[in-house]
Amino acid sequence: DAGVIQSPRHEVTEMGQEVTLRCKPISGHNSLFWYRQTMMRGLELLIYFNNNVPIDDSGMPEDRFSAKMPNASFSTLKIQPSEPRDSAVYFCASSSYTGPNEQYFGPGTRLTVT
Amino acid sequence: DAKTTQPPSMDCAEGRAANLPCNHSTISGNEYVYWYRQIHSQGPQYIIHGLKNNETNEMASLIITEDRKSSTLILPHATLRDTAVYYCIVRVAGGTASKLTFGTGTRLQVTL
Repeated sequence: DAGVIQSPRHEVTEMGQEVTLRCKPISGHNSLFWYRQTMMRGLELLIYFNNNVPIDDSGMPEDRFSAKMPNASFSTLKIQPSEPRDSAVYFCASSSYTGPNEQYFGPGTRLTVT
Repeated sequence: DAKTTQPPSMDCAEGRAANLPCNHSTISGNEYVYWYRQIHSQGPQYIIHGLKNNETNEMASLIITEDRKSSTLILPHATLRDTAVYYCIVRVAGGTASKLTFGTGTRLQVTL
């Protein structure tokens, strides 16, 4: 298995632009998580899905952030409009709904908003 | 989920055992102890988890005290590639309560 796939790996954009991050979970996993990591705040959960349904989006910072999971093999995290304080590494992770729930993380997308 | 406390940093000589402690004095009966690590610039990696019995896999061993208020992750023969931030997380396994709450972890530096 290729593991969790994220794209792009690096994104540089200007303030005010729309940014879309993509994630393909491990096949057969039915939970998907979006995390953000910064030096100041560490690694924090933004939102997670079970069976394509958003379960907890309390970590989404504000309305500029939105996430979708149209099917079991794809999810997006969108920021519109982007701001410099959104600069961070965004990780996607997936896990199986049953069993010990260990999460498998992707390589992350490093976002820089200038 | 219960809160955990870890030392901010530790050093270990290559080839020696690295013992990383974690306190979780408010752990509930249905909560597991999970360990993840994050090597620089990579996504976190699952290492091991346990409920109350000691556990061992190809990466590490997990020792949980009888009262379950603390645990120790043991890397039996640390190598330079084990240099990373190690996170101890306590949470309920299974069901919908499956999110991870990461603290600040322990930064392990393995040296020659």
